[in-house]
Amino acid sequence: KQEVTQIPAALSVPEGENLVLNCSFTDSAIYNLQWFRQDPGKGLTSLLLIQSSQREQTSGRLNASLDKSSGRSTLYIAASQPGDSATYLCAVNQAGTALIFGKGTTLSVSS
Amino acid sequence: DADVTQTPRNRITKTGKRIMLECSQTKGHDRMYWYRQDPGLGLRLIYYSFDVKDINKGEISDGYSVSRQAQAKFSLSLESAIPNQTALYFCATSDLVSAYNEQFFGPGTRLTVL
Repeated sequence: KQEVTQIPAALSVPEGENLVLNCSFTDSAIYNLQWFRQDPGKGLTSLLLIQSSQREQTSGRLNASLDKSSGRSTLYIAASQPGDSATYLCAVNQAGTALIFGKGTTLSVSS
Repeated sequence: DADVTQTPRNRITKTGKRIMLECSQTKGHDRMYWYRQDPGLGLRLIYYSFDVKDINKGEISDGYSVSRQAQAKFSLSLESAIPNQTALYFCATSDLVSAYNEQFFGPGTRLTVL
């Protein structure tokens, strides 16, 4: 059974710092991997999707990498801002069906 | 206008009541999903549907049922609500062919069962 783990569970950084969020999964046979952002009590916003054949995807200050063989993905946030404060969720998609989620990393960026 | 909408956004009900949560999408996607989110447990899949005639159970389907009334509509029902069904419920959509099955989520329904 696929399991997705995100470390750390919470992270606090000062504004301007570059940071990395980690996601690991136990079964490397994935179709793709998605990173989401969730603000408190709100829905999920898709940030980046990496297909199984890709190594990384970039959007603005965000860069996500994927290493299927080691079962790892990272989300790199450059020059963090207070507006980046949210919970970040990693989810893997197997066989093109539903997502299996990690429990998230709650990020707090202080000004 | 939002691509994936959910109604109601908030609902408080009592144990034993029948509840229906509705999801509509204008993205033209063929696949739709229902997840629930609980503190400390993350999001878990309840049911999913790949087209109007297709319904599949997810990890935690007991106590729930669904109906896919049209390509754009997917409803989740709690036949007899119980307090441990208090959670945040999300609908999601995806399209395998055109969007690599990237999933897009609605704003969520906060359900409280007293």
